[in-house]
Amino acid sequence: DAKTTQPNSMESNEEEPVHLPCNHSTISGTDYIHWYRQLPSQGPEYVIHGLTSNVNNRMASLAIAEDRKSSTLILHRATLRDAAVYYCILRGPNTDKLIFGTGTRLQVFP
Amino acid sequence: NAGVTQTPKFQVLKTGQSMTLQCAQDMNHNSMYWYRQDPGMGLRLIYYSASEGTTDKGEVPNGYNVSRLNKREFSLRLESAAPSQTSVYFCASSEEWVNYEQYFGPGTRLTVT
Repeated sequence: DAKTTQPNSMESNEEEPVHLPCNHSTISGTDYIHWYRQLPSQGPEYVIHGLTSNVNNRMASLAIAEDRKSSTLILHRATLRDAAVYYCILRGPNTDKLIFGTGTRLQVFP
Repeated sequence: NAGVTQTPKFQVLKTGQSMTLQCAQDMNHNSMYWYRQDPGMGLRLIYYSASEGTTDKGEVPNGYNVSRLNKREFSLRLESAAPSQTSVYFCASSEEWVNYEQYFGPGTRLTVT
């Protein structure tokens, strides 16, 4: 399974945009990029996923580099509720397995 | 919809005791999963069930058994608990087993002394 590399932690102020990076230099052409987040004392929740094109949904945007070796999760206006561990996960097209790394712990300050 | 529910929320076992963690989902999902999360770590897949009637091993299956009782329910059994199984256990479900988002339950915090 291809691996991802994320910073251990990041900080942001409330209402500012946050860009969470993820490197995945060994990604294969058919791997999807998934993002999940885990709020304190809760199970993970799905955020967004994409293959090649940038993706937007009500929670966030996903910007994928042209060579697909990196991606960035964008929270347009951070809120206190966005403080969580964010996991960037690669998932093959014919597998249901999510391989979690240690993620990025995002702190949001008022 | 309740989504994914897990019982119990907390459990303390002595080494060698057995127990079953229960998981149910009301979203009519075909696939279900069991993960464990140790302190400061990401989640690791224990077992999964791609569809009713099938189960497969994940990354860390040793010491566990599972049963897909019906489409809604997927249980995880520890036959002889060990301190190394102290962890938080999460159940998840997804519509299909290929590239659909997974929905997670709130977790069961298990301590084995």
